[in-house]
Amino acid sequence: TQLLEQSPQFLSIQEGENLTVYCNSSSVFSSLQWYRQEPGEGPVLLVTVVTGGEVKKLKRLTFQFGDARKDSSLHITAAQPGDTGLYLCAGFKTSYDKVIFGPGTSLSVIP
Amino acid sequence: DAGITQSPRHKVTETGTPVTLRCHQTENHRYMYWYRQDPGHGLRLIHYSYGVKDTDKGEVSDGYSVSRSKTEDFLLTLESATSSQTSVYFCAISWALGETQYFGPGTRLLVL
Repeated sequence: TQLLEQSPQFLSIQEGENLTVYCNSSSVFSSLQWYRQEPGEGPVLLVTVVTGGEVKKLKRLTFQFGDARKDSSLHITAAQPGDTGLYLCAGFKTSYDKVIFGPGTSLSVIP
Repeated sequence: DAGITQSPRHKVTETGTPVTLRCHQTENHRYMYWYRQDPGHGLRLIHYSYGVKDTDKGEVSDGYSVSRSKTEDFLLTLESATSSQTSVYFCAISWALGETQYFGPGTRLLVL
């Protein structure tokens, strides 16, 4: 059983469309992170959210941490082919714990 | 980007043979980690190290051992490789538990 669930597992969209991917848990996390992994490479950190209800923006990407700190979402506006990759959420139950990774959402943006 | 290299990048081996993967960092981070990545499972922690000669098990440690004799090197050994250990292996580093992890480029291992 995954402590962190991600949905959808796969997503294929046309360039210019908007999308949202989700990271959910029944547990409370002190912080959640989002990573992007391109084919053949290691994951790269995009953002860390630490406060319930927090919203962070990174250009066309908007990240939100749920009020109860059990879930997070990633919204991409006007997706581009360069956004293609595996999006992983990762959480720390406390600041002294090892990180827990979700299974990922594989995004494909078609030109 | 953090200086992390993994070697080899690709390896094909036969069932029952020993395999050692190397992770090398130039960032002087205290913590080093080995993960495996398989479809549908995300990244699963195998072992991690919190200093020279200090290591601990992760969630999928069976069949794997590790060693860290220097700050910059963390070795992962499959004592007797099995087909279930076919995977992509990633090394990561961090300053401390709860801090951001930086990942290496990965090693793709195929056990026939």
